[in-house]
Amino acid sequence: DVKVTQSSRYLVKRTGEKVFLECVQDMDHENMFWYRQDPGLGLRLIYFSYDVKMKEKGDIPEGYSVSREKKERFSLILESASTNQTSMYLCASSSGDRGNYGYTFGSGTRLTVV
Amino acid sequence: SQQGEEDPQALSIQEGENATMNCSYKTSINNLQWYRQNSGRGLVHLILIRSNEREKHSGRLRVTLDTSKKSSSLLITASRAADTASYFCATGKTGANNLFFGTGTRLTVIP
Repeated sequence: DVKVTQSSRYLVKRTGEKVFLECVQDMDHENMFWYRQDPGLGLRLIYFSYDVKMKEKGDIPEGYSVSREKKERFSLILESASTNQTSMYLCASSSGDRGNYGYTFGSGTRLTVV
Repeated sequence: SQQGEEDPQALSIQEGENATMNCSYKTSINNLQWYRQNSGRGLVHLILIRSNEREKHSGRLRVTLDTSKKSSSLLITASRAADTASYFCATGKTGANNLFFGTGTRLTVIP
């Protein structure tokens, strides 16, 4: 069964910590995405990548960075976690034209910053 | 914004009834997709309908697309308690960087 795996289901971090969220896909997909999901706001795109070492900013990149050193792995980094980054983080991947195919999502990481 | 908007925000029905959710969007698209999200989990892709299609079926799911009205509907027939989830529409466009997701309809199916 094809999968997108996020390394943690729940995380609790302290304000100011550097936080790494890991995502791995086994479908050889070119495209990978990081979204955050907040009540009433839906899914908002943070960053995406369409190839190894390539990254593009989404709608809300401030306070985040990403890394894609290998095709199957896309990491989201919170440089200095803040309480307003408490959220559900969703990783997704897709093949081909990013606007024309379905996405496969991971199970999500619920991050709480205290 | 290209973002889809679902209606209603919440829907509660009895098991066995049909559930209909609607999605409206603002710009031209190449496809529209529906996803399901169980509480606290990731989204699962249900169905994709392209802009040159009017209706598509998958099991108990029926999706319609009216590009002239910029709207789509998702019908779940003979609902089950396991259908309880949030349902999102997402719009896509060739060459776009990503899909645009709505804020979802929360469906509760009462056993």
